[in-house]
Amino acid sequence: DAGVIQSPRHEVTEMGQEVTLRCKPISGHDYLFWYRQTMMRGLELLIYFNNNVPIDDSGMPEDRFSAKMPNASFSTLKIQPSEPRDSAVYFCASSPRVGRDLRGSRTDTQYFGPGTRLTVL
Amino acid sequence: KQEVTQIPAALSVPEGENLVLNCSFTDSAIYNLQWFRQDPGKGLTSLLLIQSSQREQTSGRLNASLDKSSGRSTLYIAASQPGDSATYLCAVRAGNTPLVFGKGTRLSVIA
Repeated sequence: DAGVIQSPRHEVTEMGQEVTLRCKPISGHDYLFWYRQTMMRGLELLIYFNNNVPIDDSGMPEDRFSAKMPNASFSTLKIQPSEPRDSAVYFCASSPRVGRDLRGSRTDTQYFGPGTRLTVL
Repeated sequence: KQEVTQIPAALSVPEGENLVLNCSFTDSAIYNLQWFRQDPGKGLTSLLLIQSSQREQTSGRLNASLDKSSGRSTLYIAASQPGDSATYLCAVRAGNTPLVFGKGTRLSVIA
């Protein structure tokens, strides 16, 4: 498996423009997460999906941010309009169904993509 | 609200040294704790996962311990190598909430 795929890897845009980040999770994974990472705030969860349904979007900073998962193999994070303070690295991660392994322990390791570095000028 | 703190924020050691990275969390009611590694320009890679019922996990030169009652975990790296240079992040999971991450410790191992 190629792992979690994100595109683009780098995006430079001007303030006010629309930005769309894309993610392809690992095949068969039920959960998909979008994170944002900055030096000041570290890694923050923005939103996550279970079986393509948004479960918790409380981390989405403003209405300018929106995320969709039209099918099990694709998700987008859109920022419209973008602002300089949105500059960050955005990560997508996926995980298999949260369950229990043969010893009864929870299995919920997340697999991260390489990230998209967004710069808004 | 769960908060995860990692100390120190950055650490530089000579090759061959044993070292300890620290992680603390405010709510001890967790399901598990994970340590991740992040290389520059890359995503996160899971290193070790400790269930709440466990006290430690080992993988090669890495050993992670968990003291749930005191809200602490340590990641021990034995015989450090330049290839260990990366940022190490700690994350906890509680209930049905997703992972809550610390800001990480940036490790540099000098040859």
